[in-house]
Amino acid sequence: KQEVTQIPAALSVPEGENLVLNCSFTDSAIYNLQWFRQDPGKGLTSLLLIQSSQREQTSGRLNASLDKSSGRSTLYIAASQPGDSATYLCAVSSGGYQKVTFGTGTKLQVIP
Amino acid sequence: SQTIHQWPATLVQPVGSPLSLECTVEGTSNPNLYWYRQAAGRGLQLLFYSVGIGQISSEVPQNLSASRPQDRQFILSSKKLLLSDSGFYLCAWDREANYGYTFGSGTRLTVV
Repeated sequence: KQEVTQIPAALSVPEGENLVLNCSFTDSAIYNLQWFRQDPGKGLTSLLLIQSSQREQTSGRLNASLDKSSGRSTLYIAASQPGDSATYLCAVSSGGYQKVTFGTGTKLQVIP
Repeated sequence: SQTIHQWPATLVQPVGSPLSLECTVEGTSNPNLYWYRQAAGRGLQLLFYSVGIGQISSEVPQNLSASRPQDRQFILSSKKLLLSDSGFYLCAWDREANYGYTFGSGTRLTVV
């Protein structure tokens, strides 16, 4: 059974810092890994999708990497801004495309 | 482009009342459709998924049911709500393996 862990559960940083969010998974036989952002009371917004054959994806200030062999993914946020404050979730697709396992998220607060 | 609509945004219902939440997807055909629940302070729990009209798979036995009367319409229902049904309900879709999830904006259900 796939298990997805995100550490830390919460993170507070001053504006302008570069930061890394971590996601680890137990079964390396994955189809893809997706990073989401969730603002309070809102749905999940997809940030980046990394296919199993890829090592990283970039979008603006965001860069996500994937290391299947070690069961890890990182989301790098450059030059953090208060608007980046949200909960970030990673989701791993494995065991068939209907089987997506979510982490419990990292709640990020960027302090002005 | 594809869009996903979910309504209502918020709902307050008394215990024992029925429930109907609707989700529709535009701009694609034959999507895979999902219902998730996010309880306060907890992760995302997959409730139902559907790979086609009339095809519903349940992940968790509970007080809820789902139906897919049309290709791009997914409905979550209950005949009698329980207090424990309170939570944030999210609809999502994907098209095929390795496509990634897109979520709706969610419905906040409070059972009183």
